Amino acid sequence: QSVLTQPPSASGTPGQRVTISCSGSSSNIGSNTVNWYQQLPGTAPRLLIHTNNQRPSGVPDRFSGSKSGTSASLAISGPQSEDEADYYCAAWDDSLNGYVFGPGTKVTVL
Amino acid sequence: QVQLVQSGAEVKKPGASVKVSCKASGYTFTNYGISWVRQAPGQGLEWMGWINVYNGNTHYAQNLQGRVTMTTDTSTTTAYMELRSLRSDDTALYYCARVDYDILTDGHSFDPWGQGTLVTVSS
Repeated sequence: QSVLTQPPSASGTPGQRVTISCSGSSSNIGSNTVNWYQQLPGTAPRLLIHTNNQRPSGVPDRFSGSKSGTSASLAISGPQSEDEADYYCAAWDDSLNGYVFGPGTKVTVL
Repeated sequence: QVQLVQSGAEVKKPGASVKVSCKASGYTFTNYGISWVRQAPGQGLEWMGWINVYNGNTHYAQNLQGRVTMTTDTSTTTAYMELRSLRSDDTALYYCARVDYDILTDGHSFDPWGQGTLVTVSS
């Protein structure tokens, strides 16, 4: 059982905005930066967002991240079919003294 | 380009050990750490620990302390993860990833990742 909470699934059409929440506590999201990873079916994860809201080069600008207090969120503005994947939030946890991942959210583009 | 290439699939019996390698290329190996993450079939990601390649310091997940050892060989730019006393619930895809440390935010991110190594533990 992860200390980070994510909805198991999310969906939207290409004309919508899909938002994935990641809820934590003062020992993880509340005091450390949040990263998001995308895992396409059958492939290794890749870094999508780092330091709460920074996109690595090559990541489309339809992906954005934000953080407030002990929660973070990932938004996909106008999801494309190639965005169907599992998305994981992650952060350092001071109490566990380790890096923790959320359980993942499966995104479906309708 | 930055690349991490891992060793091939392994099948082990319960109680045995496995050692997975991760060959890095395209960057200065000692400037970044290496982390290991595993994923059981149909499950999410689990952080196993990381190693500071520059000085060899390691930090392991609490639940794996005593069973896992991470090392590097800077002459071949290769990282290794050894897991001992294997159990059936160690069956998983094992990934290595380069650790990027941001000194301004004290944040760590993993990019890129290796292709994964399937370790199957079965009698």
